Amino acid sequence: KQEVTQIPAALSVPEGENLVLNCSFTDSAIYNLQWFRQDPGKGLTSLLLIQSSQREQTSGRLNASLDKSSGRSTLYIAASQPGDSATYLCAVQLSRGSNFGNEKLTFGTGTRLTIIP
Amino acid sequence: KAGVTQTPRYLIKTRGQQVTLSCSPISGHRSVSWYQQTPGQGLQFLFEYFSETQRNKGNFPGRFSGRQFSNSRSEMNVSTLELGDSALYLCASSLAFVADSPLHFGNGTRLTVT
Repeated sequence: KQEVTQIPAALSVPEGENLVLNCSFTDSAIYNLQWFRQDPGKGLTSLLLIQSSQREQTSGRLNASLDKSSGRSTLYIAASQPGDSATYLCAVQLSRGSNFGNEKLTFGTGTRLTIIP
Repeated sequence: KAGVTQTPRYLIKTRGQQVTLSCSPISGHRSVSWYQQTPGQGLQFLFEYFSETQRNKGNFPGRFSGRQFSNSRSEMNVSTLELGDSALYLCASSLAFVADSPLHFGNGTRLTVT
């Protein structure tokens, strides 16, 4: 059974600092990994999707890396801003599905990030 | 382009009642997934529909059911509500296969069972 872990559960950093969020998964046979952010009381916003054949993806100040062999992914946020405060979740898809179905995503429990102005 | 729309936003029910939640996906998206989010269990997959067919189902009891209409809109039904069903229910849509396109989530329906 795939398990996804995110440590730490909460993180506070001063504005302007660079930071790294961690995600680990137990089954390395993943098809892809996604990073999401969730604001209080809201749904999830997709940030980055990394296919299993890729090593990293970048979007603006965000960079996500994937190391399948070690079962780890990191989300790097450069020059953090108060607006980056949110809960960040990673999710893995184990396989594409024999009938090209939408296999479920397995989510981590998230890291609650607070950027201090 | 309108995002994923879930209605209602908040719902209060009592034990034993049933409830129906609605989800309208992004225009053109044919895959709709449902997730339950609780503080203790985090996000858990309920089921996924594509072209009116349930393709995948999570480990939830039969009290949880769903359906998808020809316009890709989806409904989720929970019968005989229990206190433990209190949660944020999130709907997500994607173009076809999650592997090829990211999920787009709605803001959820907050269900409280008393």
